[in-house]
Amino acid sequence: SQTIHQWPATLVQPVGSPLSLECTVEGTSNPNLYWYRQAAGRGLQLLFYSIGIGQISSEVPQNLSASRPQDRQFILSSKKLLLSDSGFYLCAWSTPGRTSTDTQYFGPGTRLTVL
Amino acid sequence: QKEVEQDPGPLSVPEGAIVSLNCTYSNSAFQYFMWYRQYSRKGPELLMYTYSSGNKEDGRFTAQVDKSSKYISLFIRDSQPSDSATYLCAMRGYQKVTFGTGTKLQVIP
Repeated sequence: SQTIHQWPATLVQPVGSPLSLECTVEGTSNPNLYWYRQAAGRGLQLLFYSIGIGQISSEVPQNLSASRPQDRQFILSSKKLLLSDSGFYLCAWSTPGRTSTDTQYFGPGTRLTVL
Repeated sequence: QKEVEQDPGPLSVPEGAIVSLNCTYSNSAFQYFMWYRQYSRKGPELLMYTYSSGNKEDGRFTAQVDKSSKYISLFIRDSQPSDSATYLCAMRGYQKVTFGTGTKLQVIP
């Protein structure tokens, strides 16, 4: 069966510091991968998605970037964090070989607080 | 107008009650409908997935889709305290998945 991991689970960072969040998927090959941010009362905001190694689509221009260095690894980064980057970051995967609209399965999330 | 509207709640019900959670949408391109359950400080987990109008049942959960009214519902029978969570609807059409903001449900013992 497929499993998705995220770390760290919780992170507190000062404004202006860099960020690196990691997501890995087990039990499938070439999954579609997604990064979402969830803020209270605002639902899930899609940040990036990837259908393959090195292929990243950005949905919302902002202070963040994503990379996919390996088939089942997805990284969310920032060079300088802003207060507005605080939130709950979720990684998700969907069936490989399908469109980016297929059913998505979420990881446990990373709660980021920027002070 | 948001593409997907969902009452944020919170919704408090006594244990054993029937719970009705709802979403409305405006985009006629939405063809696939999902319900996720999210416990506090956890990632969402897929509960139900439906395509056509009508009802789909899975244990105590029933998903209902009315495409003509652009309205979907999730019913929970014999609600339990363990059902206390935020429930997110999600819909997908040709381009992407759109999520509702979630309804927070509390089932009181």
